Amino acid sequence: ETGVTQSPTHLIKTRGQQVTLRCSSQSGHNTVSWYQQALGQGPQFIFQYYREEENGRGNFPPRFSGLQFPNYSSELNVNALELDDSALYLCASSTRVAGSSTDTQYFGPGTRLTVL
Amino acid sequence: AQSVTQLDSQVPVFEEAPVELRCNYSSSVSVYLFWYVQYPNQGLQLLLKYLSGSTLVKGINGFEAEFNKSQTSFHLRKPSVHISDTAEYFCAVSAQGGGFKTIFGAGTRLFVKA
Repeated sequence: ETGVTQSPTHLIKTRGQQVTLRCSSQSGHNTVSWYQQALGQGPQFIFQYYREEENGRGNFPPRFSGLQFPNYSSELNVNALELDDSALYLCASSTRVAGSSTDTQYFGPGTRLTVL
Repeated sequence: AQSVTQLDSQVPVFEEAPVELRCNYSSSVSVYLFWYVQYPNQGLQLLLKYLSGSTLVKGINGFEAEFNKSQTSFHLRKPSVHISDTAEYFCAVSAQGGGFKTIFGAGTRLFVKA
């Protein structure tokens, strides 16, 4: 158990809909990263939030957006869902100290999103 | 930019045999290197990481990996595997650590047979 929780566990949506996935970071962690893991592939970095601001982004379109709250919990929002958005979405929390970010990431169990 | 290549998509091995999972990376800057394990229907768990220092890194569950800068490799090894080691293994690189823009390989499925 990493202390990182995600909800919901599974979700089914139809094309064009919007979805919000939630992540609760491990206690004391101020950084959260979101990943998309398509079936049979490795996770792909979507973005990272540090102290409630986006801190870096992978090759994902703007319809993927996020929020980080003062208690360091986080949301991933995806608008205008496409069939290819079907994947396991993972969040990972870590601790960033000024000028350094070498701490380990702790992953949640993921949310399985199916888009029909 | 960084990239990661895991050279084997599947590795079948008998219980108590040694195993090596291969990982090559490319990067124009110094990187941090990681190996993660993913059991079915679970998130990723860190096995070990290389940040600096000794090139031989020991991790959990008896795994170790060796960083080879000249060959840009970070192969994972275990001298004797167990049935419970059956899982997906991912090699990953990051230029900054802490999860920032971590790049993962496609994964290697380790299947341990009795």
